[in-house]
Amino acid sequence: EVQLVESGGGLVQPGGSLRLSCAASGFTFSDHYMDWVRQAPGKGLEWVGRTRNKANSYTTEYAASVKGRFTISRDDSKNSLYLQMNSLKTEDTAVYYCARSGLWDDSSGYYLHDYWGQGTLVTVSS
Amino acid sequence: EIVMTQSPATLSVSPGERATLSCRASQSVSSNLAWYQQKPGQAPRLLIYGASTRATGIPARFSGSGSGTEFTLTISSLQSEDFAVYYCQQYNNWPPLFTFGPGTKVDIK
Repeated sequence: EVQLVESGGGLVQPGGSLRLSCAASGFTFSDHYMDWVRQAPGKGLEWVGRTRNKANSYTTEYAASVKGRFTISRDDSKNSLYLQMNSLKTEDTAVYYCARSGLWDDSSGYYLHDYWGQGTLVTVSS
Repeated sequence: EIVMTQSPATLSVSPGERATLSCRASQSVSSNLAWYQQKPGQAPRLLIYGASTRATGIPARFSGSGSGTEFTLTISSLQSEDFAVYYCQQYNNWPPLFTFGPGTKVDIK
């Protein structure tokens, strides 16, 4: 059974930093692209970023709203995904989900989000 | 950047009735559109991708249609477990890799 468990959320002051983790199990983590998606309280979903797999040089992509402040990394030996968040703003307050991008859509050439964790809440407030 | 809109914001439907949800893209996304269901306190679940392909394990009462800029998610006969928020997501034009719509809440009439 695929499981994704996020941790590391909490309360942080504006300008501060936080590191989220996502522990994966039930599948070959190293084979897969992995994403972070967030959801502000009572709001919709926003894609945050992606890390590709080793075969694709672990390249990353970010949403414009977090580029230069957030860094996605992974440790395949620990089946873990990370999100380092620096220079946090109040508008970064959200539940952060890790998502496996394991569904290949032939027609688009995209990997889509087929499994999600339950999320971890990050609150940026003074 | 593509902007996704969804209508209506809230749809009130009785169990057993048909629900029709709309999603519109500000420019063509071809058929590169997915639908997700999210229940309170839960993570989103992939229902439909490629505009009309059901994901593994999704009941046949869920169907998707459309291409270009106009898309529809139809739930043929609403079950109690279908009351949730539904999001569309485009993955055709980037950056960013993915753009979600604001969601449609389906609640009990």
